[in-house]
Amino acid sequence: KQEVTQIPAALSVPEGENLVLNCSFTDSAIYNLQWFRQDPGKGLTSLLLIQSSQREQTSGRLNASLDKSSGRSTLYIAASQPGDSATYLCAGGASGSARQLTFGSGTQLTVLP
Amino acid sequence: GAVVSQHPSRVICKSGTSVKIECRSLDFQATTMFWYRQFPKQSLMLMATSNEGSKATYEQGVEKDKFLINHASLTLSTLTVTSAHPEDSSFYICSARDGLAVQETQYFGPGTRLLVL
Repeated sequence: KQEVTQIPAALSVPEGENLVLNCSFTDSAIYNLQWFRQDPGKGLTSLLLIQSSQREQTSGRLNASLDKSSGRSTLYIAASQPGDSATYLCAGGASGSARQLTFGSGTQLTVLP
Repeated sequence: GAVVSQHPSRVICKSGTSVKIECRSLDFQATTMFWYRQFPKQSLMLMATSNEGSKATYEQGVEKDKFLINHASLTLSTLTVTSAHPEDSSFYICSARDGLAVQETQYFGPGTRLLVL
């Protein structure tokens, strides 16, 4: 059974700093790896999706990488802003037909102005 | 982009009553919908996977007689919490997968906060 772990659980950085969030998964036979953002009391916003055949995806100040062999993914946020403060969740997509997602416990990011 | 809605956004009910939550894909047909539960300060836990016109597949530990899922059409799935108790209070989130999309991304609804008194 897939297990997804995220470290650190919480991170606080000053505005403008570049930062990396880490995600590890136990089953390398994933179909894809997704990063989401969740604001307090809200649903999820999809940030980036990396297919198993890809190594990275970029969107604006965000860059996500995937290394299936080591079971790791990272989310890099450049020039952080207070508006980036949220909980970031990574999720591994199963290779079965339903493509269920297994979520990590999240990293709560606070960007200080 | 693809939009998924949930109704209601929040609900308070008395212990022993049943609550129905709707999940709709607004601009695409969802071949598969998923229901998650999220307790405070915790991550999302998959409860069940449903395909249109067939019975839902429940994750281990989820009571199918308590959490009734109906996926009657390609744009609507409902979750009914039967005989709700205070321990069922949680944030329920649905997602829908666009079967025609190349990347098969799951699109998430805004969630429904349930409080059982």
